[in-house]
Amino acid sequence: SQTIHQWPATLVQPVGSPLSLECTVEGTSNPNLYWYRQAAGRGLQLLFYSVGIGQISSEVPQNLSASRPQDRQFILSSKKLLLSDSGFYLCACKLTTVNSPLHFGNGTRLTVT
Amino acid sequence: KNEVEQSPQNLTAQEGEFITINCSYSVGISALHWLQQHPGGGIVSLFMLSSGKKKHGRLIATINIQEKHSSLHITASHPRDSAVYICAVITQGGSEKLVFGKGTKLTVNP
Repeated sequence: SQTIHQWPATLVQPVGSPLSLECTVEGTSNPNLYWYRQAAGRGLQLLFYSVGIGQISSEVPQNLSASRPQDRQFILSSKKLLLSDSGFYLCACKLTTVNSPLHFGNGTRLTVT
Repeated sequence: KNEVEQSPQNLTAQEGEFITINCSYSVGISALHWLQQHPGGGIVSLFMLSSGKKKHGRLIATINIQEKHSSLHITASHPRDSAVYICAVITQGGSEKLVFGKGTKLTVNP
């Protein structure tokens, strides 16, 4: 079964600094990969999803970008963090077969100060 | 209006009670997930449904595609069931988009 590694677990960054969150997947190939954000007191919001290497779909306009340089690697980045980027970021993966379950990483709690 | 609505937003129960959390959606879906998020933030997938009913231990999930409604039931609730339960749907159309409800915070008191 798939295992998702997401790091770091917590991160405190000043406004204007860059960001790089990494997510890697083991135990599968060619998964669909997702980045979600959960702001304080709010539900999960889809930020990006990818159905293959180099294929990124963005769901909301924002200060963030995503890349998928390898099949099982998904990176969330920002050149300059904003206070509003604070939140809990979750990586998830899903096989492309119909009715395959969704698996989540343990998340990264980002605080922008 | 959100495409996925959950109720209630907050639920407090006594240990042993039967719990029901509801999810209604307004879009065409290919499947629906029930997820559990513990206070530390980690999320676990409990069920994925496209029709009918599934059971795992004390947890039961049902879905009615015609009515666009799903329920998550917990029998003989326990304090360790305290968590946020999230309904998420996979929309039709091949985009693989998941749309999440805002979650139901369940607290089970001993």
